[in-house]
Amino acid sequence: LAKTTQPISMDSYEGQEVNITCSHNNIATNDYITWYQQFPSQGPRFIIQGYKTKVTNEVASLFIPADRKSSTLSLPRVSLSDTAVYYCLVGANDYKLSFGAGTTVTVRA
Amino acid sequence: EAGVTQFPSHSVIEKGQTVTLRCDPISGHDNLYWYRRVMGKEIKFLLHFVKESKQDESGMPNNRFLAERTGGTYSTLKVQPAELEDSGVYFCASSQAIGAVNTGELFFGEGSRLTVL
Repeated sequence: LAKTTQPISMDSYEGQEVNITCSHNNIATNDYITWYQQFPSQGPRFIIQGYKTKVTNEVASLFIPADRKSSTLSLPRVSLSDTAVYYCLVGANDYKLSFGAGTTVTVRA
Repeated sequence: EAGVTQFPSHSVIEKGQTVTLRCDPISGHDNLYWYRRVMGKEIKFLLHFVKESKQDESGMPNNRFLAERTGGTYSTLKVQPAELEDSGVYFCASSQAIGAVNTGELFFGEGSRLTVL
């Protein structure tokens, strides 16, 4: 499993864009990059997944440079309800997800 | 559609006792996974069922942990006898297809918090 590094915490205000960058220098050719969100007292919830370039869904965007050694999760116009822990996971067809410590995002009014 | 449900949400037992956690996956999901987060640590994989068969149990910490999935529907995770270090949150997840990581279709339950005194 590729090791990931992401910031421990980030603070933001409502309406701002939040960008969380994850480093995964030893990503393998067949690895995908997946982001999960976890609220207190809940299980992780899938946000977005990508392999290269840019992926966008109704929740977030995922930017992956050509070398794929990092990725950036972008949360547009965050609200208080986006306060959560965000996990970057890298793996290929692998359910042994290594969640790491995640990034605690705190959105303030 | 009902999501992954886990029971109990919280269990408090004494060291040496037995606890059984239950997970009901999303209907139709053949794959069922157990994970846990012990205090202060990361979420770690425990095991994976495909229907009623254990596909991978490499994450099970020791033989005090027994997981079953009779009939390929719900699953139970028994800890016997429980030790203090077993305290944490046990998550269950299910997916329709093997290799769900590549499709993001891994659905987690809310977890069962276990406190061993």
